[in-house]
Amino acid sequence: DVKVTQSSRYLVKRTGEKVFLECVQDMDHENMFWYRQDPGLGLRLIYFSYDVKMKEKGDIPEGYSVSREKKERFSLILESASTNQTSMYLCASSRPGGYNEQFFGPGTRLTVL
Amino acid sequence: AQTVTQSQPEMSVQEAETVTLSCTYDTSESDYYLFWYKQPPSRQMILVIRQEAYKQQNATENRFSVNFQKAAKSFSLKISDSQLGDAAMYFCAYGSRSTGNQFYFGTGTSLTVIP
Repeated sequence: DVKVTQSSRYLVKRTGEKVFLECVQDMDHENMFWYRQDPGLGLRLIYFSYDVKMKEKGDIPEGYSVSREKKERFSLILESASTNQTSMYLCASSRPGGYNEQFFGPGTRLTVL
Repeated sequence: AQTVTQSQPEMSVQEAETVTLSCTYDTSESDYYLFWYKQPPSRQMILVIRQEAYKQQNATENRFSVNFQKAAKSFSLKISDSQLGDAAMYFCAYGSRSTGNQFYFGTGTSLTVIP
């Protein structure tokens, strides 16, 4: 059974903290994605990676960075968390191409106080 | 960038009835792919159905089918014989070879199934 896992389902952090969200997939997929999901806004792409150590900015990269040191793992980093980064964060993975299904993790609900 | 519009933030359906969720998109491409994803409450998002734009035949997966109208740039999802387990947020998404690896998602439709 294919799987994308995320390190935490719920996370509470304080303003200014550095936050790490981790995602692991076991499907040997080249592509990995980080989305932010907010009510009424749908899913917005933060960053994606198409290979180890490669990354591309998505639509809303400001305030975030990413790291992909191994093919199966993709980390999202909030260098200095702010309250407007309170959201649901979804990780996904896929084979290359804009036509292959993306497989999603369960999401991390992040609250920044 | 391509845009995907879901104009129905919320929908409801009686159990065993049929419901149609709307999705429109804007693109100048001829070769692309459309997806419907389902996100049940507190559960993982999963793919419901996928349509290749070059195929004229509408995709079908059990009780789920699409009405793909390429000229109108419309891609609606029909759920027949609705079940309580169909209650979820549904997202329409667009992908293509030219967008590289990126999908464009709509804002979602929350479906309630009434017993």
